[in-house]
Amino acid sequence: GQNIDQPTEMTATEGAIVQINCTYQTSGFNGLFWYQQHAGEAPTFLSYNVLDGLEEKGRFSSFLSRSKGYSYLLLKELQMKDSASYLCAVIGEDSSYKLIFGSGTRLLVRP
Amino acid sequence: GAVVSQHPSWVICKSGTSVKIECRSLDFQATTMFWYRQFPKQSLMLMATSNEGSKATYEQGVEKDKFLINHASLTLSTLTVTSAHPEDSSFYICSASRIDPMRGRITDTQYFGPGTRLTVL
Repeated sequence: GQNIDQPTEMTATEGAIVQINCTYQTSGFNGLFWYQQHAGEAPTFLSYNVLDGLEEKGRFSSFLSRSKGYSYLLLKELQMKDSASYLCAVIGEDSSYKLIFGSGTRLLVRP
Repeated sequence: GAVVSQHPSWVICKSGTSVKIECRSLDFQATTMFWYRQFPKQSLMLMATSNEGSKATYEQGVEKDKFLINHASLTLSTLTVTSAHPEDSSFYICSASRIDPMRGRITDTQYFGPGTRLTVL
């Protein structure tokens, strides 16, 4: 079956660094995405990893290890506006480009 | 670039009525669009994959006669919730995959619309 696991909730302090982990077990793999979603809004694209390694984009970085079925999203210099849900999603072997979403991690940034 | 719009952004209707939600890719062509549903504090659940010019592919457990999908052009897909009931109240979100003109194939990134909040009384 298809399974994507993320922690349900995390709390961090403004200015700190937080790492949100995602593990996946899917039939095939064609890429992993991280999306940010504020309450009541649609998800916005953060990152895409298809090869092993770290992708850095400003304060956000995403890491992938395909052999371990593991990814993390790293947020640096946390700001209050980073309080949101972070969704990990995988495209499996299906050529239809369907995204399989994890349940999301709600991040609360405190002053 | 890669903007996706949805209309309406919210709708309240009476039980038994039908509601149509539009999803448009504003600045790119989308041969494939996806429809998701999201209940409060839950993640996105894929309902169906909409392909331009062909029938939609529904996920297991989604009633295709209740959730009618039409993808008549490369920039527009519609979802009609027929005979809506209170349990259909949810946040409906569409996404679109863009064709990469350089490679002539769909890019992997999906771009999401702003969502439509449906409340059925």
